[in-house]
Amino acid sequence: QVQLVQSGAEVKKPGASVKVSCKASGYTFTSYDINWVRQATGQGLEWMGWMNPNSGNTGYAQKFQGRVTMTRNTSISTAYMELSSLRSEDTAVYYCARGFCSSTSCYTIIFDYWGQGTLVTVSS
Amino acid sequence: DIVMTQTPLSLSVTPGQPASISCKSSQSLLHSDGKTYLYWYLQKPGQSPQLLIYEVSSRFSGVPDRFSGSGSGTDFTLKISRVEAEDVGVYYCMQGIHPPYTFGQGTKLEIK
Repeated sequence: QVQLVQSGAEVKKPGASVKVSCKASGYTFTSYDINWVRQATGQGLEWMGWMNPNSGNTGYAQKFQGRVTMTRNTSISTAYMELSSLRSEDTAVYYCARGFCSSTSCYTIIFDYWGQGTLVTVSS
Repeated sequence: DIVMTQTPLSLSVTPGQPASISCKSSQSLLHSDGKTYLYWYLQKPGQSPQLLIYEVSSRFSGVPDRFSGSGSGTDFTLKISRVEAEDVGVYYCMQGIHPPYTFGQGTKLEIK
């Protein structure tokens, strides 16, 4: 079965960077795009960007441009999201989510499977 | 950015009764390819979100047929024909036509 398993919780100081991993299993990793979505405690969902694991191509929300980097290691079917220059407002649960493919089309921005989430806490 | 506005923000429903959630977008979600990029997700308590509906009205695999989506352009609705206890959680609409792809603020469904 399709699974996205994320790395564990992180505590970082302001100004530091964090790198969250998302290990895929149960499907061909390079055939489906990976997105990252975050959720501050008690708040709504915020899309951060996407990555094509086959080509490495990415697209980031302008809000995160210059601070976020999405990469992958295809040999271990793992996607990564690194966020730099952390501030307290970045405290949130970060989710990876797979793009959906129907019988006829693939959609980067429809998320059919999600990771369990990784809590990143930014605090001095 | 496209603003997605959901109403109501919360609702309390008796099991077996219907429920309806509205989602309005600040711009049309109809693409030149003829598709409308509006999706619905449910986040059950303590869980990751799960896909319910894509392209306004297509149910994702395994989603019960008591869930239905409708609408066009900028006005959309998610309906649950007969609410069950397992339907509790926060429902989000999302637009996938223009980056940054944005979600509504969420509608919390509780059972009476």
